[in-house]
Amino acid sequence: DVKVTQSSRYLVKRTGEKVFLECVQDMDHENMFWYRQDPGLGLRLIYFSYDVKMKEKGDIPEGYSVSREKKERFSLILESASTNQTSMYLCASKTPVRNTEAFFGQGTRLTVV
Amino acid sequence: AQKITQTQPGMFVQEKEAVTLDCTYDTSDPSYGLFWYKQPSSGEMIFLIYQGSYDQQNATEGRYSLNFQKARKSANLVISASQLGDSAMYFCAMTGNTGRRALTFGSGTRLQVQP
Repeated sequence: DVKVTQSSRYLVKRTGEKVFLECVQDMDHENMFWYRQDPGLGLRLIYFSYDVKMKEKGDIPEGYSVSREKKERFSLILESASTNQTSMYLCASKTPVRNTEAFFGQGTRLTVV
Repeated sequence: AQKITQTQPGMFVQEKEAVTLDCTYDTSDPSYGLFWYKQPSSGEMIFLIYQGSYDQQNATEGRYSLNFQKARKSANLVISASQLGDSAMYFCAMTGNTGRRALTFGSGTRLQVQP
């Protein structure tokens, strides 16, 4: 059974904290993504990685960074958490082949207080 | 740049009836792919159906079909014989063949199936 696993289902952090969201996939996928999901806005791409150590900014990268040191792991970092980063964060992985589906993790609901 | 527009924030349908969820898209890529995902209240993202821009026939998967009209840049999802378990958020998404290789999502449609 293919799997994308996010390290936490729920997180509560304080404003200004450095926050790490971890994502691991077991499908040997080259591409990995971080999205945030907010009501009425759908899923918005934060960052995308197409290989180890390779990354591209998505639509809303401000306030975030990413790390991909190993193929199976893609980390999202909030350098200094702010209340407007309270959201659901979804990690996904996919092969580069266009007609293949992306597989998603279960999501991390982050609350910044 | 790619853009997906879903203009129906919410839809209601009676059990056993068919429903169409709208999706329009915009892209400069000559070759692209279109996806639909379902997100139940549990939060998981479930892949439903895929349509390639050069596919000659509309995609079908069980009770799901994709009404692809390339000239109108629309990729509507049709669910036949709705079931109570179809109540969920539905997202349309696309990926290009050049440029952006990530999936671009629309804002979603919340479908509620009534008994």
